[in-house]
Amino acid sequence: GENVEQHPSTLSVQEGDSAVIKCTYSDSASNYFPWYKQELGKGPQLIIDIRSNVGEKKDQRIAVTLNKTAKHFSLHITETQPEDSAVYFCAATVTFSSGSARQLTFGSGTQLTVLP
Amino acid sequence: EADIYQTPRYLVIGTGKKITLECSQTMGHDKMYWYQQDPGMELHLIHYSYGVNSTEKGDLSSESTVSRIRTEHFPLTLESARPSHTSQYLCASRGQGVGTQYFGPGTRLLVL
Repeated sequence: GENVEQHPSTLSVQEGDSAVIKCTYSDSASNYFPWYKQELGKGPQLIIDIRSNVGEKKDQRIAVTLNKTAKHFSLHITETQPEDSAVYFCAATVTFSSGSARQLTFGSGTQLTVLP
Repeated sequence: EADIYQTPRYLVIGTGKKITLECSQTMGHDKMYWYQQDPGMELHLIHYSYGVNSTEKGDLSSESTVSRIRTEHFPLTLESARPSHTSQYLCASRGQGVGTQYFGPGTRLLVL
């Protein structure tokens, strides 16, 4: 099955600096890669996603890059603000052994702290 | 914004009690999931359903059970709660042909 590794597990940055979180996946068939942000006391919320037919996607201060050859993708947050502090999860699609369905495999999470 | 709800948000119970965690969504999604999230943040899939009367166990073994009698409702039941069941439980749903999962706010369970 799919395996997604996420690094680092914790990340502290100064307000205004950039933050980068990296993930690698094992299944070359994976073709959808969402990123989630989980604030304290809440469930994860989708913040950006990318499909395997593009290499980069941006949404204001957030961007995601995908390298299919190397099987890794990254989340970039520029001009970080204290409200960016949260746990971030990457994920990738997988196919069941029966081939009948897909589900997301999540990375282990990154606790981002933006210091004022 | 996703319309997926979980109740209760917080629950403190004694060992041996039977509990049901509720999850409902109003988006008509056929796929629903339950995750257990440990203090180390990692999400562990414990149950999923691809439609009414369809339920499967996830990657992490769990003593809980689920049912899917209606599309919008996916409750999780613990017949006899134990302190080892203390955790946060997250419910999620996904529509047809879309990879994105939408999560509920979670239920934080404490078993004494």
